[in-house]
Amino acid sequence: GAGVSQSPSNKVTEKGKDVELRCDPISGHTALYWYRQSLGQGLEFLIYFQGNSAPDKSGLPSDRFSAERTGGSVSTLTIQRTQQEDSAVYLCASSLGGGAGNTEAFFGQGTRLTVV
Amino acid sequence: AQRVTQPEKLLSVFKGAPVELKCNYSYSGSPELFWYVQYSRQRLQLLLRHISRESIKGFTADLNKGETSFHLKKPFAQEEDSAMYYCALSSGNQFYFGTGTSLTVIP
Repeated sequence: GAGVSQSPSNKVTEKGKDVELRCDPISGHTALYWYRQSLGQGLEFLIYFQGNSAPDKSGLPSDRFSAERTGGSVSTLTIQRTQQEDSAVYLCASSLGGGAGNTEAFFGQGTRLTVV
Repeated sequence: AQRVTQPEKLLSVFKGAPVELKCNYSYSGSPELFWYVQYSRQRLQLLLRHISRESIKGFTADLNKGETSFHLKKPFAQEEDSAMYYCALSSGNQFYFGTGTSLTVIP
């Protein structure tokens, strides 16, 4: 596809359940980012991948959150034992990662997670 | 540490009035700075970047290294400018976003 694709678009889950959110970056983009967007909280950084490795996991809010990226492409963000405060829009972005001038980040449409 | 600060969460202006969305940053190097915009029910997208020195949809932003600012300006606001605006700084391959400013243009 031409852009960053995220699935599902919407997810409603019961408190305590695990969820997986998927991100398909733009082909050839080596850098991939996960952000969380909450009402009134702006854009909160979660994790950054360069290839398959995650040089910066500093934004993951707790050990219930984890992410992986395989084959330098698709990434999955997993939230275990979901809590109501996890409800937010989760955004994925990718960029070429090639250095100056190639660092524009392209965003997916997001996954709206609602924990009930 | 890299930081991007957008001091205004909400900003309202009347149509036709000038608008300025503030962004300040802290960075120990030569930053790449961007403005991203999110219109209602659309994905976050790039509005402009400082290295291009371009004007997009009438918006401009000048990098002021002395004041470490990258404020977004438009001389005459339009209703379709109502959106969420994020200032961002790129360091290597990492992006740091501000908390965003919600702009409402009042008809």
